[in-house]
Amino acid sequence: GAVVSQHPSRVICKSGTSVKIECRSLDFQATTMFWYRQFPKQSLMLMATSNEGSKATYEQGVEKDKFLINHASLTLSTLTVTSAHPEDSSFYICSARIERERGAGAYTDTQYFGPGTRLTVL
Amino acid sequence: QQQVKQSPQSLIVQKGGISIINCAYENTAFDYFPWYQQFPGKGPALLIAIRPDVSEKKEGRFTISFNKSAKQFSLHIMDSQPGDSATYFCAASNAGNNRKLIWGLGTSLAVNP
Repeated sequence: GAVVSQHPSRVICKSGTSVKIECRSLDFQATTMFWYRQFPKQSLMLMATSNEGSKATYEQGVEKDKFLINHASLTLSTLTVTSAHPEDSSFYICSARIERERGAGAYTDTQYFGPGTRLTVL
Repeated sequence: QQQVKQSPQSLIVQKGGISIINCAYENTAFDYFPWYQQFPGKGPALLIAIRPDVSEKKEGRFTISFNKSAKQFSLHIMDSQPGDSATYFCAASNAGNNRKLIWGLGTSLAVNP
């Protein structure tokens, strides 16, 4: 269980075009989804936190008009990189947060990650 | 300011050996400490996680040791295998901020056959 998918897995586009990346939680409803960016050999950098039905919360330094996030349902969030430029080339990863009562007082609150999307802007 | 400090940056271990990765944190409000494993070109996968009410958690060859007073936690990989070669990230979160994860910088582990 707890599978998160991303589509596409890789995309190559020309400078100035917009690219949409989808993140889906396949077998659970996600309270919250997160979007990360990762450069080679570096840690994950949180870009924004997305809650279904409300505006995303962006981290400091992340342009909200550049990286549009839509969280249409409890299983789907999308990230659109608008007017992409070569410096936007990166590995984009989403995660979905699951909160679940497991009985006997046990409680799960965990993030599960998608496989990532490699964006290359020419 | 790095809220979660991870060391070492890289680690080489012989097959069958023990791999140890350490993390230290500052924020005493953190109450959830997961470890993620990431292979090149893939998203991170949750490996094991611990809450501060226990000092150790073991799942198969992977063990987390947690020292609340020292604000440190570590990952031990017993009987390390070449297939364990990956980048490992520690993280921490608390109940606020939608449980936003604060990440360590990662440890690149290579297990020699």
